Amino acid sequence: QKEVEQDPGPLSVPEGAIVSLNCTYSNSAFQYFMWYRQYSRKGPELLMYTYSSGNKEDGRFTAQVDKSSKYISLFIRDSQPSDSATYLCAMSAHNYGQNFVFGPGTRLSVLP
Amino acid sequence: DTGVSQDPRHKITKRGQNVTFRCDPISEHNRLYWYRQTLGQGPEFLTYFQNEAQLEKSRLLSDRFSAERPKGSFSTLEIQRTEQGDSAMYLCASSLILGGTDTQYFGPGTRLTVL
Repeated sequence: QKEVEQDPGPLSVPEGAIVSLNCTYSNSAFQYFMWYRQYSRKGPELLMYTYSSGNKEDGRFTAQVDKSSKYISLFIRDSQPSDSATYLCAMSAHNYGQNFVFGPGTRLSVLP
Repeated sequence: DTGVSQDPRHKITKRGQNVTFRCDPISEHNRLYWYRQTLGQGPEFLTYFQNEAQLEKSRLLSDRFSAERPKGSFSTLEIQRTEQGDSAMYLCASSLILGGTDTQYFGPGTRLTVL
């Protein structure tokens, strides 16, 4: 079992839909959780950074962490074609980059 | 543009050749990371620098790989005697540890193809 798992997709949704992207993990020591967006042939871009359990909202994006279930989610409201990208979750037990473990990513297509 | 830059963006080489990649981080950032990303996978940590000191290397970083960050500014990653399995995207990221937060900013990556 991989330490961090994501549904690879591709996930196709119509413009305006609510998108739910999810990651599960096995290491109960993880307490820092991140979501990155990666456009084709580009580096990842940090979207959300959360610590421990709970919700965090930023514009159209909401990150949820459920440590008891070892499950994190990213919701995108009013999805736009420009949201089409690969979404990577990453997590760590410590707040230092050398310990970040990335999921394989979910490819999202938002159709106009 | 004040983001992380990497050069070259693409490199095609023959097996057995040496290649070197360069990363220029955001100027005031004290940490610099190298990652490798293969198709359909997330980035995998290779090594990182705090200023000019290389503080950790992943077991993924074989003896054929070496990284430097002279003077704590730009960094280079060299792969000697390349193998086909080295074909991947090599990503650089930089961060400024401030108040305990390590927010990494990634460059566009160097895509290596070993023939």
